[in-house]
Amino acid sequence: DAGVTQSPTHLIKTRGQQVTLRCSPKSGHDTVSWYQQALGQGPQFIFQYYEEEERQRGNFPDRFSGHQFPNYSSELNVNALLLGDSALYLCASSPQQNTGELFFGEGSRLTVL
Amino acid sequence: AQSVSQHNHHVILSEAASLELGCNYSYGGTVNLFWYVQYPGQHLQLLLKYFSGDPLVKGIKGFEAEFIKSKFSFNLRKPSVQWSDTAEYFCAAPTFDGLTFGKGTHLIIQP
Repeated sequence: DAGVTQSPTHLIKTRGQQVTLRCSPKSGHDTVSWYQQALGQGPQFIFQYYEEEERQRGNFPDRFSGHQFPNYSSELNVNALLLGDSALYLCASSPQQNTGELFFGEGSRLTVL
Repeated sequence: AQSVSQHNHHVILSEAASLELGCNYSYGGTVNLFWYVQYPGQHLQLLLKYFSGDPLVKGIKGFEAEFIKSKFSFNLRKPSVQWSDTAEYFCAAPTFDGLTFGKGTHLIIQP
């Protein structure tokens, strides 16, 4: 039973570019959340998707957007990248909304130059 | 604002020492609390959780935590740590901004 899988694991972009990160949730999970973890900090909530809609959003600008597909997989898109967007982006899945019991992937490490 | 705070950002202990990591939350009402752990090179995983009932909850690998409502605290404890407990530990709680994490405690266990 595969856990949460994310791709790519590492990527390097330059300022102003756009990036798409992908996530497949754990089998049987229908809710996907995205987090940003800067170095030395705890994960910060970006948004949560359930039934293909954004259900909850943290304090992130509109440059951060997402999508959930019918098979529950999800994408995180970041436009107009800034140096400060460099971080580990974590995807987490859960079997229902609004639970704190999350299963995390290993993350996508984004470096913006 | 609802928040979760961890007091110790770096802790170094010797094997067999007792461990207590502090966590405080800033809101009332229904309280669900979690501790997550991130071992070196591994993904973040749930260590233990509190939803209701017995305020002393047991988790994996001998960890436990006590919910003290009057102190708004949910401290993590382990009577005798092992070298393999070296990891980053995060306290977390659901808030209006999704699951909110503390800044984490980097625990190093020296053999």
